[in-house]
Amino acid sequence: DAGVTQSPTHLIKTRGQQVTLRCSPISGHKSVSWYQQVLGQGPQFIFQYYEKEERGRGNFPDRFSARQFPNYSSELNVNALLLGDSALYLCASSLEGQGSSYNEQFFGPGTRLTVL
Amino acid sequence: GDSVTQMEGPVTLSEEAFLTINCTYTATGYPSLFWYVQYPGEGLQLLLKATKADDKGSNKGFEATYRKETTSFHLEKGSVQVSDSAVYFCALSDSGAGSYQLTFGKGTKLSVIP
Repeated sequence: DAGVTQSPTHLIKTRGQQVTLRCSPISGHKSVSWYQQVLGQGPQFIFQYYEKEERGRGNFPDRFSARQFPNYSSELNVNALLLGDSALYLCASSLEGQGSSYNEQFFGPGTRLTVL
Repeated sequence: GDSVTQMEGPVTLSEEAFLTINCTYTATGYPSLFWYVQYPGEGLQLLLKATKADDKGSNKGFEATYRKETTSFHLEKGSVQVSDSAVYFCALSDSGAGSYQLTFGKGTKLSVIP
C-alpha cells in the first residue's frame, strides 16, 4: 500500500502570496493532521481533521486554514505568507480520530516551503 | 500545557558506542510516548512507542521505558552504527487534549563516525 503522499515536494513563494499544500492519507485512514517543522526544531501541530471536521487546532494564526474532503484527502492553505512561514510542512494520517487509546500517526515526506 | 524536553545535541559517537538520549515530559492526562527518527531529507518515521507506564518500546536495537514516576522516556541503544545517524525526536500524544495531536521535543541530532 502507498504511504502518505504530499504535493508539491518543494515550493517557492514571495511574501504576501497564498499557498495550498495537499495531502493524501493512507488508504482507509480517516484522520489527517498537519505539522509545521521549522529548520532545526521539532514539528509543531497545526490542525487535525477527522471525518471532514476539525478535531484540533494548534497555536497558529487565522492565516492558516485547512479542510478535508470526502475521500479523506486534505489541503492546508496559508494566506499572506511571511518569511517565518518558511518550513517543512508535514502531513500525517491515522485510522481514527477518537475512541482508541492510541492512534499511530504515519507521516508523509513533507512539502518544503520557502518564502522569499 | 503539554511539553517535551530532550537533551540538546548534536551528539557524536563512534561506531559501536552506547547511546542514551534523555527525554522528559509534562502532560495533563495519560499520554502515549514515542520516539521518531528523521533521516536527512526525509519525513518522520516512528521508531518505537509506549502507551502506558512501565511499558518498554523497542525496535531495531533501540529501547525506551515509560517511567511515570520520573516522567521520562529515555532512548537507548547498546551499539550504534553509522546508519543510525539521524535526528531523533521524543514526542507525546495526550488524548485528554481532545485530539491525538503529537507534541514534539526539539530533536537531537546523532552523528555516528566509523
